[in-house]
Amino acid sequence: GAVVSQHPSWVICKSGTSVKIECRSLDFQATTMFWYRQFPKQSLMLMATSNEGSKATYEQGVEKDKFLINHASLTLSTLTVTSAHPEDSSFYICSAPGLAPASYEQYFGPGTRLTVT
Amino acid sequence: QQPVQSPQAVILREGEDAVINCSSSKALYSVHWYRQKHGEAPVFLMILLKGGEQKGHDKISASFNEKKQQSSLYLTASQLSYSGTYFCGTENPNYGQNFVFGPGTRLSVLP
Repeated sequence: GAVVSQHPSWVICKSGTSVKIECRSLDFQATTMFWYRQFPKQSLMLMATSNEGSKATYEQGVEKDKFLINHASLTLSTLTVTSAHPEDSSFYICSAPGLAPASYEQYFGPGTRLTVT
Repeated sequence: QQPVQSPQAVILREGEDAVINCSSSKALYSVHWYRQKHGEAPVFLMILLKGGEQKGHDKISASFNEKKQQSSLYLTASQLSYSGTYFCGTENPNYGQNFVFGPGTRLSVLP
C-alpha cells in the first residue's frame, strides 16, 4: 500500500522560533496533500490543502503567514510553523489521497508532535 | 460542518458488540471510517458512497442510510485490538464542503 512518511516524529522548540515539518509520499506521487492538526483527545482538524506547483488552500481561521506550506515536488510537502508559541503545541499529521481507483482513501503520515516551550 | 458522532466513549468486554453512529443534517457525498490508536495516525477502515449501502470486512461493518445522512459502524465480537478512537469523516462537494472528521468515539475493549 501507499506509504507516507513525516519528519521529524517529534520536535521541541523554544517560543519564537520556526519549525519545519516534512511530509513525503514514498512510493507514489501526490499532487495534493492535506495538513491536519490534532489537539489531545480531539479530532483532526484540516488546516490546509497543499497543491504541487501552486499555492496552498487554507481553511477558515488558519493563518497563512504563520503556517507556511510548500509543495515543492510530487513527493514532498513541507509545513513551517513560524514564530511558534506554546499554543501551537499539537500533533501535526499530513495525508495524501490514494491512487485511482482508490483515490477516496487518505494515507496518513505517522504524525509529528510539536512542543513549544 | 462537522458530523455528529455517538456515543462519545464506550467500554466493552472482549467478545461484545458495539455500534458507533455518525450523522449529518445534510445529505452527504460519502462517509469514511477511520480508527486511530493513541499516538498514531488514523488508519482507513472503509468508505460508503451509496444510500442504503452496507459493507464490511472481517467483523467490522458499516451502513449508510437511504437519505445518506447517517452511517453506523458495527463492531462484532470485539477484540482487544479494536481499542482506539473511531472517527467518521464526511465530505459534501455539492455544498463546497471539504473532508471533515467527526469528534471521534473512544472505544476501550477490556479482557
